[in-house]
Amino acid sequence: DGGITQSPKYLFRKEGQNVTLSCEQNLNHDAMYWYRQDPGQGLRLIYYSQIVNDFQKGDIAEGYSVSREKKESFPLTVTSAQKNPTAFYLCASSTTANQPQHFGDGTRLSIL
Amino acid sequence: GENVEQHPSTLSVQEGDSAVIKCTYSDSASNYFPWYKQELGKRPQLIIDIRSNVGEKKDQRIAVTLNKTAKHFSLHITETQPEDSAVYFCAASRAGGSYIPTFGRGTSLIVHP
Repeated sequence: DGGITQSPKYLFRKEGQNVTLSCEQNLNHDAMYWYRQDPGQGLRLIYYSQIVNDFQKGDIAEGYSVSREKKESFPLTVTSAQKNPTAFYLCASSTTANQPQHFGDGTRLSIL
Repeated sequence: GENVEQHPSTLSVQEGDSAVIKCTYSDSASNYFPWYKQELGKRPQLIIDIRSNVGEKKDQRIAVTLNKTAKHFSLHITETQPEDSAVYFCAASRAGGSYIPTFGRGTSLIVHP
């Protein structure tokens, strides 16, 4: 969807480095989500936010951090504590939990 | 919390055949059931959804059925085409509070020409 933008498309992380993945939406959605997808695997929830200035851990939050200072933005930081960060990261948004999710094009993160 | 089981994990069909993917959920209060299609290397996209006040919904070659008593819902694709090849995810969610959608693990559908 044109309404949710992730950047960059590809990202490389050096050992010991923190990297931040950007997610911006102009759909006026309250809820935003971050998922991790490993090859051939499903969607695993990292963090979610249902309102500005509030966010909750998902199933695999260790080694990740987020912020939600603006309704439009929900950046994800992959910290050096995440020892296996190589994956495809998807950001999504929705008006509420029981409405369709709109996904970004994803960021593919690899280790240098 | 909600638990969604999706089967099969892989489904291989010949072009023109029908394909059926099934999901079961555990929370009887769940009332929204979307299906997403993810082509290789791309974003998941909503293809059809159903709410708990409806038993069946159709959109051209795809349909979704819901059995609230048994707590399962299914995606039906008729007259499959090679471009239907993708990973399909089901999900279940409910309104209110801190509830968030729970996804199934996905089904890889392969349509052979």
